[in-house]
Amino acid sequence: QITLKESGPTLVKPTQTLTLTCTFSGFSLSTSGVGVGWIRQPPGKALEWLALIYWNDDKRYSPSLKSRLTITKDTSKNQVVLTMTNMDPVDTATYYCAQYRLNFDSFGDWGQGTLVTVSS
Amino acid sequence: QSALTQPASVSGSPGQSITISCTGTSSDVGGYNYVSWYQQHPGKAPKLMIFDVSQRPSGVSTRFSGSKSGNTASLTISGLQPEDEADYYCSSYTSSSSWVFGGGTKLTVL
Repeated sequence: QITLKESGPTLVKPTQTLTLTCTFSGFSLSTSGVGVGWIRQPPGKALEWLALIYWNDDKRYSPSLKSRLTITKDTSKNQVVLTMTNMDPVDTATYYCAQYRLNFDSFGDWGQGTLVTVSS
Repeated sequence: QSALTQPASVSGSPGQSITISCTGTSSDVGGYNYVSWYQQHPGKAPKLMIFDVSQRPSGVSTRFSGSKSGNTASLTISGLQPEDEADYYCSSYTSSSSWVFGGGTKLTVL
């Protein structure tokens, strides 16, 4: 059974850096064809893809947010970390991590999400 | 990368069929067979319903089907059931080696 869970602060101040951790089980990020991605959803709005890290440490970022994002993995801990710099109130959203499988070209299993509010 | 275009809402009666469109460009939907669809109930995480345009993951009802023509992908739900009422999002791989989601469609089962 695959599970993913996001953790991190629920409230950050404008200009601060957000660090979110995705802890997963049921698969390994050292397995070929596997990745973990981050997707966010502002309240009442649509999903927005942010970043993806592959089993081989290849990384992909949203072109519009690339300068603010960093994604890393710790295979031994089954964790993926996303950092987003210079947070703004428009970044208030539920942040999801999800497993990506190359042979499905999609995000198959998702975490429950974590709501991050940006406010002074 | 602009979001894919979906209708804001669609509706149908139980037992009917509905189709949700997802329009992109030749740099995303039209250029790759990597279109997926997600169902999201209120307060819940999205659930993968269709991948690679028309493939169903194990456990997803055969009432859900996907297709693509040019720059537009479609999700069809046949034999509508009350539990199908949810938000639906399309997604596509892009020429920027990134992914883009649609704006979402709210399905109401009348």
